[in-house]
Amino acid sequence: GQNIDQPTEMTATEGAIVQINCTYQTSGFNGLFWYQQHAGEAPTFLSYNVLDGLEEKGRFSSFLSRSKGYSYLLLKELQMKDSASYLCAVRDPTDSWGKLQFGAGTQVVVTP
Amino acid sequence: DTAVSQTPKYLVTQMGNDKSIKCEQNLGHDTMYWYKQDSKKFLKIMFSYNNKELIINETVPNRFSPKSPDKAHLNLHINSLELGDSAVYFCASSQESVDSGANVLTFGAGSRLTVL
Repeated sequence: GQNIDQPTEMTATEGAIVQINCTYQTSGFNGLFWYQQHAGEAPTFLSYNVLDGLEEKGRFSSFLSRSKGYSYLLLKELQMKDSASYLCAVRDPTDSWGKLQFGAGTQVVVTP
Repeated sequence: DTAVSQTPKYLVTQMGNDKSIKCEQNLGHDTMYWYKQDSKKFLKIMFSYNNKELIINETVPNRFSPKSPDKAHLNLHINSLELGDSAVYFCASSQESVDSGANVLTFGAGSRLTVL
């Protein structure tokens, strides 16, 4: 089984930086994903980490430490459109077909 | 447009009714999923099919029956609807294998089911 924890909500100002932490406890690990979900819309893929370290994609970066069971998503130069829920998800290969398990999501509110 | 499309987007029905949600993907993916997102926004997998074969079947009441007529379609039929079934149901697809690490899901827009 898996336990995935992330904060419920974070608030930040336009132009600022926000870091969303995710910790996981799994019987196996084969990748961690971040998805963005705007209210009333489908989740969309942001990033994937399978090895330790930082993956950078424009204003968004994702970090992974497998030994600590820890990841974070870093959002820089926040824009109003970044107000959304950010979902951390872990793939556990010991489950059948390595199904993806999601955390409850972190609601990011960007204020002017 | 290449996408995962599901219908209907909204469904309001009475307790005890039977309803279906349809999903189609034209991405050429081999694997399709149904996820349920409850009022607390927790996204939980229900079923997964790979090339029409059921590969993931979570602890879901047997009132829920998925059907995959071909690898591009995955429908969800729900019998005897209950109040607790109210949620947003997301269809998704991916191109994966049992050895694949990257499992990028492409989600449909969701079907909001309200049971009265």
